[in-house]
Amino acid sequence: AQTVTQSQPEMSVQEAETVTLSCTYDTSENNYYLFWYKQPPSRQMILVIRQEAYKQQNATENRFSVNFQKAAKSFSLKISDSQLGDTAMYFCAFMKLGQFYFGTGTSLTVIP
Amino acid sequence: DAGVIQSPRHEVTEMGQEVTLRCKPISGHNSLFWYRQTMMRGLELLIYFNNNVPIDDSGMPEDRFSAKMPNASFSTLKIQPSEPRDSAVYFCASRPSGAPYNEQFFGPGTRLTVL
Repeated sequence: AQTVTQSQPEMSVQEAETVTLSCTYDTSENNYYLFWYKQPPSRQMILVIRQEAYKQQNATENRFSVNFQKAAKSFSLKISDSQLGDTAMYFCAFMKLGQFYFGTGTSLTVIP
Repeated sequence: DAGVIQSPRHEVTEMGQEVTLRCKPISGHNSLFWYRQTMMRGLELLIYFNNNVPIDDSGMPEDRFSAKMPNASFSTLKIQPSEPRDSAVYFCASRPSGAPYNEQFFGPGTRLTVL
């Protein structure tokens, strides 16, 4: 079974600053996909960014980018220019053949 | 597209009662997932269906839980009898076939409180 570890239960960042959320996973697979989901207080789970393991280039979506280190099995999320609306739970997920494995989440608070 | 639809959004019931949660996946999606979210255990996969067939139900906590998907546009998660420890937010998610990198699309969740 695959395991996903998010070692930071809670984090905070000052508005406009940059924050990095960490995620590690354990797998013997070579081809897989990684995701970051955001869950704001509304409870709705929203996809933030995805990374395909066979791609070396780190994925970027506007202010969100990842640092994917395949050998280290690490998949961190960097949020630049943090905004109040970024306050949410962030979940890292591993996916292989349509089955998803989620981490326990990191609660991020953006401080005005 | 209306997204994944779940009903009810909130359910309060008494211990021992039967609870049925409902989900309508996004049209055209062929995989459906049921999750339970609690503070203590995070997001747990209960069961998932592919083309209406249950593929993995190893996450279903016990026989009190059952899930069905009678057709491609509807699924239910039933708890009978319910217990206070079943209180949680239950999410349904669907995923399209095709590209292997497709993500799951989540519904808004049902907050269940068992008194």
